[in-house]
This record gives sequence, structure tokens and C-alpha cells, in this order.
Amino acid sequence: AQTVTQSQPEMSVQEAETVTLSCTYDTSESDYYLFWYKQPPSRQMILVIRQEAYKQQNATENRFSVNFQKAAKSFSLKISDSQLGDAAMYFCAYPSFNKFYFGSGTKLNVKP
Amino acid sequence: DGGITQSPKYLFRKEGQNVTLSCEQNLNHDAMYWYRQDPGQGLRLIYYSQIVNDFQKGDIAEGYSVSREKKESFPLTVTSAQKNPTAFYLCASSIFSGVEQYFGPGTRLTVT
Repeated sequence: AQTVTQSQPEMSVQEAETVTLSCTYDTSESDYYLFWYKQPPSRQMILVIRQEAYKQQNATENRFSVNFQKAAKSFSLKISDSQLGDAAMYFCAYPSFNKFYFGSGTKLNVKP
Repeated sequence: DGGITQSPKYLFRKEGQNVTLSCEQNLNHDAMYWYRQDPGQGLRLIYYSQIVNDFQKGDIAEGYSVSREKKESFPLTVTSAQKNPTAFYLCASSIFSGVEQYFGPGTRLTVT
């Protein structure tokens, strides 16, 4: 069965510092996508970044980047120069067979 | 502007009543999804639809029903058979299955 695991229920980072959120997944597929979503207090789910498994290069979107380790089935999110607006729940997600599998989420606190 | 709308934002119902949550998208996406989110939890899939006039049960479909008569619309009915209906409901769509999903703002349903 497909599973997505986020082992850090909550993390804190100082403003302007860097933080890495972890995610592991389980799949037997060879080609797939991986996603990180952000859910701020408004509860709107916002797509942060996407990684295509067949691409060896790690995806980057401004201050957000991923460390994708396909063999280890690991997909971590790095947030550089953290800002107060980054405070939110972050969910890792993996689509398979017409469904999306979400992790349980990591709550990120940003300290001024 | 293209996007997904959910209405209303807050909904209150008495126990024993059926209630329908609206989800409309103008992104021309084929696939649509309904998720339930309980406090401090991740997202759980209720129903999904890959094409008009077709839909499949997700992981927690009991007590819910859907229809997909138009590409743009995917309403969710929470029936009186749903034992714990109070939750936050999110609708999402994607151009087709297996790629990034885009989410509506959600509906907070409270049943007393």
C-alpha cells in the first residue's frame, strides 16, 4: 500500500534561518510526481513545489527547494531565509492510481 | 480568474439533516476530489471523479454521496448516516489524475 510519512509533527525556525522538513514515501512505481503543499491558518491548501521522479535535478522555487533521493524514497523540503509568512502546516503528497496520498503534516513555527 | 470555489465558507446544520456542499471549478480540469480534514489531522479522501458522470469512493465514503453531472461541478452531500460530520471539507481538482491538485478555500461544517 502506498504510504507517505512525515516524522516531524512540529518544527521551529528562527526568521531568516533555514529549515528542512522530512518526508518518506513507499511506492513500487518508477515514474511519478511528488508534491509539497502549505496550509496556512486560513486553511487554504497551496502548492509549494513539485518534483518529477524521472528528473535527477532537485526542484527549486525561489526560497523553497527539495532534496529528492529516489532510491531512499525520500523527499525533503528546504526553506531558506524563513519568513513569518512561512508559518503553516506542510504536507507532503504523492499521487498514485488516481488518488493522492498525503502525509500527516508538519507544523512549522517561525520565530521573529 | 480561474480557480475553485466552495460555498458556503461556514455551514451549520442540525443532526439528522442532509446537507450539500458546493464545489465549482473553471479551470477546465477533468478530475475533481473531496477531502475531509479533522483538527490537527491530514486529508482523507471521500470521493473522486476522473470524468463527467463517473466517480469512485475514496477511503471514507460512508455517509457521503456525490454527483458529477457537469465538468465544472462536483457537489458533496453529507447525509444523516455520517456519524461524525463536523469537519473541514476541501474540494480539489486536477487537469487529470496523477498530477498536482488545486484546492478550493474549504467549507467548515458544524452539525449539532
